[in-house]
Amino acid sequence: SAVISQKPSRDICQRGTSLTIQCQVDSQVTMMFWYRQQPGQSLTLIATANQGSEATYESGFVIDKFPISRPNLTFSTLTVSNMSPEDSSIYLCSVKQGRVTEAFFGQGTRLTVV
Amino acid sequence: DQQVKQNSPSLSVQEGRISILNCDYTNSMFDYFLWYKKYPAEGPTFLISISSIKDKNEDGRFTVFLNKSAKHLSLHIVPSQPGDSAVYFCAASARGFGNEKLTFGTGTRLTIIP
Repeated sequence: SAVISQKPSRDICQRGTSLTIQCQVDSQVTMMFWYRQQPGQSLTLIATANQGSEATYESGFVIDKFPISRPNLTFSTLTVSNMSPEDSSIYLCSVKQGRVTEAFFGQGTRLTVV
Repeated sequence: DQQVKQNSPSLSVQEGRISILNCDYTNSMFDYFLWYKKYPAEGPTFLISISSIKDKNEDGRFTVFLNKSAKHLSLHIVPSQPGDSAVYFCAASARGFGNEKLTFGTGTRLTIIP
C-alpha cells in the first residue's frame, strides 16, 4: 500500500484567505483524488487529479474555488480559495495504484474557517 | 441524491459478539464495493472489498456479503474486538464502466463494549 503524507494536518484560517494542502506519496501513482468530509457528513469527491492533464471536477465544485496541481506522479496540491466558514471540513487526499482495486487515503487536513 | 446509504448512524456490540453493518445502494452501475474504517484524526483505512460477480468475500474476521437483487451489502465482524470501535464507511464504484471514483455512504459508528 502507498504511504500518503498530507500537510498541514490541521489549520485555522480567516475567512477570505486561501489555504494550500499538499499530498505527497511514497511511490508513483496514476490516479489521485481529493475528497471533502463536512461535519457529520460522508466523504464527497471534489476532483480527480491525473498527471499531465487538467483535474476533473465533480458537480458542485469548480476550479476557481478549488484549484488543483499535479506536477508529477507523487505529488498534488489542493487550494481552498476565498474561504468561508462553510469550507470548514476535513480534506482528504486519496490514491490508486495500477491494478490495485482499493484506494488509499492520507490522514486528512482538518480545516476550520473563522 | 444519496446513492449509497448507511441507515444506522451508530451500533453498539458486546465484545466477542458479531457486528453487522449494513449498506444499501441505488445505482445499478455500481459493480465494486468497499468497506473502510476510520479512526478520529486519521484517514479512512481499507478493510475489505467485493466485486459484483461475487456474493461473499472473507478476510479473517471480516466478511462482506453482497445481495445484488436487493442492492444491499453487509459487513460482518466476528468476533468483535475493542479495537474495532471506529466509523465504518461503505463505498461503491462503477469500475466496469471505467469510473474509478468512490461514492461513500454516511458511515456507521461502531462501539464495541468490553
